[in-house]
Amino acid sequence: EVQLVESGGGLIQPGGSLRLSCAASGFTFSSYAMTWVRQAPGKGLEWVSGISGSGGSTSYANSVKGRFIISRDNSKNTLYLQMNGLRAEDTAVYYCAKGDRGDILTGYDYWGQGTLVTVSS
Amino acid sequence: DIVMTQSPDSLAVSLGERATINCKSSRSVLYSSNNKSYLAWYQQKPGQPPKLLIYWASTRESGVPDRFSGSGSGTDFTLTISSLQAEDVAVYYCQQYYSTPLTFGGGTKVEIK
Repeated sequence: EVQLVESGGGLIQPGGSLRLSCAASGFTFSSYAMTWVRQAPGKGLEWVSGISGSGGSTSYANSVKGRFIISRDNSKNTLYLQMNGLRAEDTAVYYCAKGDRGDILTGYDYWGQGTLVTVSS
Repeated sequence: DIVMTQSPDSLAVSLGERATINCKSSRSVLYSSNNKSYLAWYQQKPGQPPKLLIYWASTRESGVPDRFSGSGSGTDFTLTISSLQAEDVAVYYCQQYYSTPLTFGGGTKVEIK
């Protein structure tokens, strides 16, 4: 059974940093792209970042480029999102999701339950 | 960036009736080399993560009821629920994965009339 469990969310002051983790199980982690998608309270879905199965290709939304870094450790079956220079508008539930192939350009077939990040003083 | 525009924002449909959601992309998401449209549909129920329903614009994900169908190509797409059930109350999103940044439509809320 595929499982994705996010952790690392919480309350952080503007300008601060936070690292989210997503522990994956139930599939061959290195074979599939992974992504982070966020949802601000009461709003729609916003794609944040994606990484290929090998980790060799990454991509970011314009809104986070230069502040967030996506990475993965295929030996630990874990996806990460390092978030720096956090702003109030980064407040959201952050979901990790599994791609249905190794390329970032794919649909995402399994999703975690999400972790809430609140940026506020 | 490719902009995805969904319509309507919300709709109320009677149980057993058809629900139709539209999604339009600002550029074609059809990849000519494989003739596939890089378009997915997701369902999100309150308090839950999104669920993949349809990919490649018209391929139903495993386990998704056959009352859900996707159609369209290029820039214009439709998600149809042929006979609305109570458990289909949700927000539905289209997403293009033709190019990065991947982008979602604004969502369509489906309710029971």
